[in-house]
Amino acid sequence: DQQVKQNSPSLSVQEGRISILNCDYTNSMFDYFLWYKKYPAEGPTFLISISSIKDKNEDGRFTVFLNKSAKHLSLHIVPSQPGDSAVYFCAVAGGADGLTFGKGTHLIIQP
Amino acid sequence: DAGVIQSPRHEVTEMGQEVTLRCKPISGHDYLFWYRQTMMRGLELLIYFNNNVPIDDSGMPEDRFSAKMPNASFSTLKIQPSEPRDSAVYFCASSLSDSYGYTFGSGTRLTVV
Repeated sequence: DQQVKQNSPSLSVQEGRISILNCDYTNSMFDYFLWYKKYPAEGPTFLISISSIKDKNEDGRFTVFLNKSAKHLSLHIVPSQPGDSAVYFCAVAGGADGLTFGKGTHLIIQP
Repeated sequence: DAGVIQSPRHEVTEMGQEVTLRCKPISGHDYLFWYRQTMMRGLELLIYFNNNVPIDDSGMPEDRFSAKMPNASFSTLKIQPSEPRDSAVYFCASSLSDSYGYTFGSGTRLTVV
């Protein structure tokens, strides 16, 4: 039973355009949401997070949006750059097990 | 700080053999996590420790898996006996909190043939 779902295994976006990665969760008790980025042969690294008391958090080209009523969050990257090509994991906190991760979305930025 | 250090980076072993994965967390981090990454299931939490004490091992797949943290600077994940379905990348992460600020190691890619 997946508590965190990233329904797109991969996403291809043209360089310079906006990349939108989506994540859905099932438990309304989750109160902290994070995005991690992972390059091949490396561990995931923290990218951006948002608390449940906010609906938007922005850091440079990266913005995370949270829709609590829909139990949905998204990561926007604009403009997309070749170095953004990576696997992006959505993670949630507030349950009993530390962070729970989605399966990841492989973002490919095309020149 | 060298970050979270995992060894080995790659491990190839035969079915039935014992495998030991090692992790050195960041000094001062109270939490240590072991995750397994597969294509089918993404990143799964296997077990985590707080102050060297196992808190939740409900993610450990079966009795063949065991984890220890004898001190604040070292943890092991052991699989005995190993099976081909254990093939995955195993990540260790440490943190000051159980909810954020995780730093991951580079992972151990395990292949059981």
